[in-house]
Amino acid sequence: AQSVTQPDIHITVSEGASLELRCNYSYGATPYLFWYVQSPGQGLQLLLKYFSGDTLVQGIKGFEAEFKRSQSSFNLRKPSVHWSDAAEYFCAGGGSGTYKYIFGTGTRLKVLA
Amino acid sequence: DTAVSQTPKYLVTQMGNDKSIKCEQNLGHDTMYWYKQDSKKFLKIMFSYNNKELIINETVPNRFSPKSPDKAHLNLHINSLELGDSAVYFCASSQASGIVETQYFGPGTRLLVL
Repeated sequence: AQSVTQPDIHITVSEGASLELRCNYSYGATPYLFWYVQSPGQGLQLLLKYFSGDTLVQGIKGFEAEFKRSQSSFNLRKPSVHWSDAAEYFCAGGGSGTYKYIFGTGTRLKVLA
Repeated sequence: DTAVSQTPKYLVTQMGNDKSIKCEQNLGHDTMYWYKQDSKKFLKIMFSYNNKELIINETVPNRFSPKSPDKAHLNLHINSLELGDSAVYFCASSQASGIVETQYFGPGTRLLVL
């Protein structure tokens, strides 16, 4: 069955530290993969997406993600976290020929001053 | 200009009532969606419409009925509200049909059933 898994429910980092949020997927073919961010009380904002091509994708707000087929992963990274990055982060995937996203359960990021 | 808008933003109501949530997108997209986000932040798709036609209908109680008067609008009507319906409901839209495209989300409607 198709699935998207975010193994970490909570992550806490200090401001200025690097960040990596994990996302694993299970799809028969190469999936379309997305990272969204949800700030408290807000809707979801797209950070970046992977459809095909270069496996390292750049997004907004200094985020990047790397698609690794061998590990079935699409981890989100940021070299230096800012306090305003504190939010809930969702990985989502979709298969070719379907409208449907499957969302991971989210990772809540806390940033310490 | 708000790309995907929802009204109301907050909705507090009693059990057994009927309520509607409205969604509008001005992106010219063909496809619209309703998602439910529960108290644990889990997001699950409920419905999707493409050019006013229902294309996704997940396992949702039939108390929930979507209506798409035109491709820019997708409303959600809920009959006989129950406590378990309390959640945040997100509307989203995307451009193309038949393939996975980027979805753009509205700000959400926070529904509390007392």
